[in-house]
Amino acid sequence: DAGVIQSPRHEVTEMGQEVTLRCKLISGHNSLFWYRQTMMRGLELLIYFNNNVPIDDSGMPEDRFSAKMPNASFSTLKIQPSEPRDSAVYFCASSPTSGGHYNEQFFGPGTRLTVL
Amino acid sequence: AQSVAQPEDQVNVAEGNPLTVKCTYSVSGNPYLFWYVQYPNRGLQFLLKYITGDNLVKGSYGFEAEFNKSQTSFHLKKPSALVSDSALYFCAVRANTGTASKLTFGTGTRLQVTL
Repeated sequence: DAGVIQSPRHEVTEMGQEVTLRCKLISGHNSLFWYRQTMMRGLELLIYFNNNVPIDDSGMPEDRFSAKMPNASFSTLKIQPSEPRDSAVYFCASSPTSGGHYNEQFFGPGTRLTVL
Repeated sequence: AQSVAQPEDQVNVAEGNPLTVKCTYSVSGNPYLFWYVQYPNRGLQFLLKYITGDNLVKGSYGFEAEFNKSQTSFHLKKPSALVSDSALYFCAVRANTGTASKLTFGTGTRLQVTL
C-alpha cells in the first residue's frame, strides 16, 4: 500500500490566492483527519470525517477554510483567500474505524504551505 | 474535555542509556493512548497504543510504554537509546466512548540522543 498521499508537497503562494490541498486515503480506511502544524501552536486538528461525513469541524480557523470529501478515498482542504498566517505544514491522516475507535491514524507526508 | 501534557520540551540522553519521555493525560472514562514519532520533514508515524489489558505495551523500534491509571500517565521508554531515535515524539489520547471521537495530541517532546 502506498500510504496516505498528499499533494502538493510544497506550495508557495501570494496572499489572497486560493489554495487547494489534496489527500488520498489508504484503501479501506473510512476516517479522514486534517491537521495543521506550526512552531507556535503545535499540531492542531482542523476537521475530521467519518464515512465521508464531517463529524467535527470546530478546529477550522475561520470561514476561509473549507474541506470536502467528494468520495470515500479523496479529500480536499481549501483556503480562500489565503493569508500569511496560514503558513504551516498541513497533514492528512486516515484510519479504519471498523471494529472500534481505537485504531491508529496513518499520516501523510504533509504539504508545506507558504503564503507570502 | 480531554487533554495531554508532555512536560518536557526536550529530552537529552546518551546513546546506550535508557530513555523516558513523559506523558500525562486527562479524559472522561477509560482512555485509548497512543505514541507517535515524527522525523524531520515527515508525517507522524505510529509507535504503539494502549487499549486495554496489560499495562506495559510494546511497540516499534524497541519502544515500550507503561499505562498507569492512578497517575494518569503513559510514559514512553526504551532500554537503550540510539542516535537514530532522535526525533519529535507525540503522546495522544482518545476517550473510550464507543463512538467516533477525536484524538488529542500533546505538544511534543524532542528527543536528542548523542554519542
